[in-house]
Amino acid sequence: DTGVSQDPRHKITKRGQNVTFRCDPISEHNRLYWYRQTLGQGPEFLTYFQNEAQLEKSRLLSDRFSAERPKGSFSTLEIQRTEQGDSAMYLCASSFVVWTANEKLFFGSGTQLSVL
Amino acid sequence: KQEVTQIPAALSVPEGENLVLNCSFTDSAIYNLQWFRQDPGKGLTSLLLIQSSQREQTSGRLNASLDKSSGRSTLYIAASQPGDSATYLCAVSILEYGNKLVFGAGTILRVKS
Repeated sequence: DTGVSQDPRHKITKRGQNVTFRCDPISEHNRLYWYRQTLGQGPEFLTYFQNEAQLEKSRLLSDRFSAERPKGSFSTLEIQRTEQGDSAMYLCASSFVVWTANEKLFFGSGTQLSVL
Repeated sequence: KQEVTQIPAALSVPEGENLVLNCSFTDSAIYNLQWFRQDPGKGLTSLLLIQSSQREQTSGRLNASLDKSSGRSTLYIAASQPGDSATYLCAVSILEYGNKLVFGAGTILRVKS
């Protein structure tokens, strides 16, 4: 069990550029989540996958955001035409769940995005 | 819309003191409540999870309680240590399928040696 891995740890980009983040969940975990956290706030839910199916998306996830989880393994989160307001820590979490009520999430260390 | 509030926003205590962190939520229709710890620049570590039908959970020096009807939870830390210094986040799960968590802004805890 190597934990949830996120890449890159830090990303600096210019406004208008596209960026892509990767998350490798713990092996055998069937659910994968993306959250976004800004300074001094708790994380906000963006989206989640059950295996390869994307089951829920937040209204925070505008048309510029897209997430995939091909084959139910790693996941990517892409932001197109970045804006300064996209600057945040993007957190990935995974879990193996049978019953949501006792589902425990394992978080990665996050990708810190800075849009200049 | 579910809202989670944590009080106090920051807390500084001497080593060895027992302390209580508070969390309140506006909608009692939750599936579980979780407490997390976050170290600076790092991800979150799950500390305790209380299912909606439960009243409390304990792990080592940590004890979390849940009063769903009043929309409150407390995290009790016994005999605090400098290594407990971190941000503590409370979150409630609002989806029946899928752990869509609504987080509070956290309590920043500093334990002085």
